[in-house]
Amino acid sequence: QKEVEQNSGPLSVPEGAIASLNCTYSDRGSQSFFWYRQYSGKSPELIMFIYSNGDKEDGRFTAQLNKASQYVSLLIRDSQPSDSATYLCAVNIGGGGADGLTFGKGTHLIIQP
Amino acid sequence: DTAVSQTPKYLVTQMGNDKSIKCEQNLGHDTMYWYKQDSKKFLKIMFSYNNKELIINETVPNRFSPKSPDKAHLNLHINSLELGDSAVYFCASSQPSGREQFFGPGTRLTVL
Repeated sequence: QKEVEQNSGPLSVPEGAIASLNCTYSDRGSQSFFWYRQYSGKSPELIMFIYSNGDKEDGRFTAQLNKASQYVSLLIRDSQPSDSATYLCAVNIGGGGADGLTFGKGTHLIIQP
Repeated sequence: DTAVSQTPKYLVTQMGNDKSIKCEQNLGHDTMYWYKQDSKKFLKIMFSYNNKELIINETVPNRFSPKSPDKAHLNLHINSLELGDSAVYFCASSQPSGREQFFGPGTRLTVL
């Protein structure tokens, strides 16, 4: 059974600080890892993906992957009120894209002005 | 120039009815998916289609049937609707060799 675990929060972070979101997964065969942002009433929006161990940076976002620990995280630097949303961690089993994603239940992030 | 579109956006119907949700993507992707997001916001894969072939089919009741007339469209038909079918249904697409999936705006289904 593929499982993805996230702390549901809410996680409250002051504006300008670093928000740290964490995710663990159960299947060691997982090969691709994604972070989606979902605003209330909207669809999930892909913000980061990572396939290899280590860090991947894109603007204010950094994804970190540790396959040995089955752990993936998302750091948001200089947090803005517009970053307030639910962040969904997702994993894809296998090398191809034909499989669906297994999602965690999401972490509700609140950036306090 | 919407990448993944769905119709309708809202669907309210009575128990026992049959309904369909349509999805179209203009990204040139070969794989399309249907996800269900329940009232607790948990997003779960239902189906995926690759070149009009069903690739995965999670433990979804056979009242749900995906139909793909071509690789740009994946429709979801639901027979004999039940109260527990109330949810938001998202369509998504990706390249078969790529892994990033792009989601449509969702269809909120309410069964009364």
